[in-house]
Amino acid sequence: AQSVAQPEDQVNVAEGNPLTVKCTYSVSGNPYLFWYVQYPNRGLQFLLKYITGDNLVKGSYGFEAEFNKSQTSFHLKKPSALVSDSALYFCAVRDGGNDYKLSFGAGTTVTVRA
Amino acid sequence: ETGVTQSPTHLIKTRGQQVTLRCSSQSGHNTVSWYQQALGQGPQFIFQYYREEENGRGNFPPRFSGLQFPNYSSELNVNALELDDSALYLCASSLRQGARITNTGELFFGEGSRLTVL
Repeated sequence: AQSVAQPEDQVNVAEGNPLTVKCTYSVSGNPYLFWYVQYPNRGLQFLLKYITGDNLVKGSYGFEAEFNKSQTSFHLKKPSALVSDSALYFCAVRDGGNDYKLSFGAGTTVTVRA
Repeated sequence: ETGVTQSPTHLIKTRGQQVTLRCSSQSGHNTVSWYQQALGQGPQFIFQYYREEENGRGNFPPRFSGLQFPNYSSELNVNALELDDSALYLCASSLRQGARITNTGELFFGEGSRLTVL
């Protein structure tokens, strides 16, 4: 079985401050980890992924995420948040030996105030 | 934009009716997955189609069924609609290479079809 937990329903930060969205995962095989963002009434947009290699991965719009195997975490970060980063963020995991199912967390709503 | 298109964007049905949702995958992609996103929740995997066959299924009853066509487009059919079927239905395409699972890439999602069951 595979699952994702996003412990915070909401994250509020001021523009220009660092942004962190937390994610922990559970998977039996090698984890393939993803972050997606969803704007109101829109589909999901891919931000970044970790498959293997460097634990720090960089993605779109200045976002990055750090894979921590011992803590089974994959937190999303941005050094300086923008008001336009306000959206719903989803962490997702797939078992590396199993292609067909991507499991999503419940999502974290990020609000960046001007 | 991902190149994945879904139709219709919005629709309203009554309980007991049937609905068909359509998805055109991104050019070059051969695999289509369907997800259900209820209000305030993360997307839940329904099933995936590869080479016109169902390739994996989540915890959804048989009244959820699908098709994939030779051009890799896909349909999701839901029979005997229930109120709890109200949700955003997302289609995602990806590229799978051969019978062996080698696809490590991300899924590319469409904008979704919002279904309301009254």
